[in-house]
Amino acid sequence: DAKTTQPPSMDCAEGRAANLPCNHSTISGNEYVYWYRQIHSQGPQYIIHGLKNNETNEMASLIITEDRKSSTLILPHATLRDTAVYYCIVMNQGAQKLVFGQGTRLTINP
Amino acid sequence: NAGVTQTPKFRILKIGQSMTLQCAQDMNHNYMYWYRQDPGMGLKLIYYSVGAGITDKGEVPNGYNVSRSTTEDFPLRLELAAPSQTSVYFCASRPIAGELFFGEGSRLTVL
Repeated sequence: DAKTTQPPSMDCAEGRAANLPCNHSTISGNEYVYWYRQIHSQGPQYIIHGLKNNETNEMASLIITEDRKSSTLILPHATLRDTAVYYCIVMNQGAQKLVFGQGTRLTINP
Repeated sequence: NAGVTQTPKFRILKIGQSMTLQCAQDMNHNYMYWYRQDPGMGLKLIYYSVGAGITDKGEVPNGYNVSRSTTEDFPLRLELAAPSQTSVYFCASRPIAGELFFGEGSRLTVL
């Protein structure tokens, strides 16, 4: 599975859009981009995933570049409860061994 | 629907003791995983399983053992506990083509 690179930390003001980048330059054609987040010490929670098209759900939007080498997770109106560590991983649908990177620690400031 | 259930939530062990962390899922998922997370760090894969009777090592398997006798259960055994195994342990499961579902974690302290 392709490796991902994320900034270790980011800050965002409450009510603004939080844009979290992820680089995955070695992604292969059948690999999806998945995003998870971990609030404090809870179990990580699935947010969204996509293959090549942009995706949106009730939690976030995912923008994938045309060459698929990077993506951005967008939290449109960040709240204090969005403070968490956000993980980006790439994998094909049948992937067995799933390894996480260090993620981005997002802090939403009042 | 309980999802992924981990027990115990907290445990203190003495050096050299052994214990088993239990993980059960009720979603009929084929794949199951054990991760550990040290303070301030990311998730490290210990072991994973793609179905009953099949297990494989992850990134940090030393000091641990697993078994998968049923689809539902994936226990993690610690033999001869060491302070370096003080961590939060997360179990997760997923269908063959889908996202991971995590348990709430088991916090283990080895003194």
